[in-house]
Parts: sequence; C-alpha cells; structure tokens
Amino acid sequence: GQNIDQPTEMTATEGAIVQINCTYQTSGFNGLFWYQQHAGEAPTFLSYNVLDGLEEKGRFSSFLSRSKGYSYLLLKELQMKDSASYLCAVTPEGIKAAGNKLTFGGGTRVLVKP
Amino acid sequence: GAGVSQSPSNKVTEKGKDVELRCDPISGHTALYWYRQRLGQGLEFLIYFQGNSAPDKSGLPSDRFSAERTGESVSTLTIQRTQQEDSAVYLCASSLTGANEQFFGPGTRLTVL
Repeated sequence: GQNIDQPTEMTATEGAIVQINCTYQTSGFNGLFWYQQHAGEAPTFLSYNVLDGLEEKGRFSSFLSRSKGYSYLLLKELQMKDSASYLCAVTPEGIKAAGNKLTFGGGTRVLVKP
Repeated sequence: GAGVSQSPSNKVTEKGKDVELRCDPISGHTALYWYRQRLGQGLEFLIYFQGNSAPDKSGLPSDRFSAERTGESVSTLTIQRTQQEDSAVYLCASSLTGANEQFFGPGTRLTVL
C-alpha cells in the first residue's frame, strides 16, 4: 500500500525559514515531487527528487533520503505570498514506465505571518 | 502557450443526477490524469490515459465513475447518479509523456446537494 505523511499545518514569520517534512512508505518508489497549491488554485510544480541529496532552486530546496523514506522541502526568506499548501507526492513506477500516477500526502498548509 | 483548461469551473447538482466534467490538456501532451481533492485533503488519483494504451482505471472509486479520452486531446469524466460524498474539486493534469512533470488545470468544483 501507499502511506505518505506530512504535517497538517505550520506557521512561520516573514523572512524566516520553514522545513516541511514528508515520510513515505510505498510499495515501489521512483521519485518524489513537491507541489505548491494556493487556496482555490491548481497545484504548481516545485521540485522532483530521484537521487539522494539536496536540490536547490532559489529560495526553495528539496531533500531526499531513499533509504529512510524521507524528504523535506525547505523554504528560505519566507514571503507572504508563500502562504499556501505544500503537497508531497510519490511516483511508484519506474521513470521509464508508461505511467507516473502520483500518490499524494494530505498537504501541509503554511501560514506566513508578518 | 495555453495551459490545461477545465470546464465548468463550478458545478452544483442534485443527488442522483449525472454530471460530465471536461478537460483540455496542453497540446502535444500524451499523458492525461484525473484526480479528486476533497476539502482540506490531498489529491486522490482516479484515472490515467497514455496515448492509445488502455487507461489505468485503478483509482476510480466506484462504477458510477467513468472517463473517456479522444486520441490525445479532450477528456471527459462522467459521474452517474451523483452522491453527496462526490462533492470535491476534480483536477485534471497532463504531461508530455508518462514520465514527466504533470501540469494541473484549475479544477472543477463539484457540489452535490
């Protein structure tokens, strides 16, 4: 089966750093996505990790440990516009397989306060 | 270029009625996915189309749900005899192939009274 856990909600201050953890237990794993979703809008892609380690993209970084079934998304220099839900999603199939249906966690709602 | 579009953006229906939701993927994208998102929850996979292959229907919650796709273009998700628990946002996504990043549409918010 598939089990993906992430905290329900986090609050942080503008300018600060927040780390959103995601743990997964899936029957087969290829890679892990992070998506950002503002209220009432579609999810938008943030990052994709296949190999262990840290991927940095500007203010956002994502880390993966395949052996531990663990990932985190790090948001630095928080801005008010970063208030959104952050969705962790796993692809259970191999990257060359014909199909990468995503299995999502419940999402973490991040509230950035002034 | 245009992103994924979905229609209608909102649909209110009475319990027991059938509804049809439409998705227009990004042109050239061979893979198309439907997901459901209940209020305050993550996305649940429903169905996946890849080219001319048989669709992966493993996420459809009951036989009241069905979907079709014409070639590599428009897809429709049909829910028959709607129930109140079907109320959710239905999101469509497409990707260049089945191994690429998925781009999501704005969703259709379905409310079953």
